[in-house]
Amino acid sequence: QVQLQESGPGLVKPSETLSLTCTVSGGSISNYYWSWLRQSPGKGLEWIGYIYYSGTTNYNPSLLSRVTISVDTSRNQFSLKLRSVTAADTAVYYCASGYSSGYYYLDFWGQGTLVTVSS
Amino acid sequence: EIVMTQSPTTLSVSPGERATLSCRASQSVSSGLAWYQQKPGQAPRLLIYGASTRATGIPARFSGSGSGTEFTLTISSLQSEDFAIYYCQQYNNWPPYTFGQGTKLEIK
Repeated sequence: QVQLQESGPGLVKPSETLSLTCTVSGGSISNYYWSWLRQSPGKGLEWIGYIYYSGTTNYNPSLLSRVTISVDTSRNQFSLKLRSVTAADTAVYYCASGYSSGYYYLDFWGQGTLVTVSS
Repeated sequence: EIVMTQSPTTLSVSPGERATLSCRASQSVSSGLAWYQQKPGQAPRLLIYGASTRATGIPARFSGSGSGTEFTLTISSLQSEDFAIYYCQQYNNWPPYTFGQGTKLEIK
């Protein structure tokens, strides 16, 4: 059973970079795709993007210019960087994953971490 | 972007009764539709994928149906632990995969 745990700062200043890491346990990082999502009262659940162990990424066009997702297979971790944040980026951020089956539903989720953008 | 619309926004049902939740896609998503349950302070949990296949460990009282643009999640006999928010998600078209706004299932 794959388990995921997000980590990173809970408070980020406007215009700075939000950085989160997800640590994976209980499964081989090569068998899954790895995603970041966020949830806010105003926008609901939003898929930010996903990555394969090979490093291939796919991003939501609405965030494409500001987001980078990367994977560190040696550490069983994948990460999110969101640049130039504003208050609109305040949300609960989730890492999640599913089997690399070609079907992109999410079998496993982290508990989520609240990130607040404020000075 | 495919827009997913769920109805109703809130559904009040008594324990032991049947609940029927709807999800509509702005264009066909074939059978690329999943349902999730979310309780307060928790991450969503996968219930159904492929429109009608229960995920591992999900009780048989949860069932999904539909294809194309119209989908239904049915909970046959509501238990106390089923009162939560339910989301549908399409994974037929990227970018991006999209979620509905949720249906809150509350105790009547």
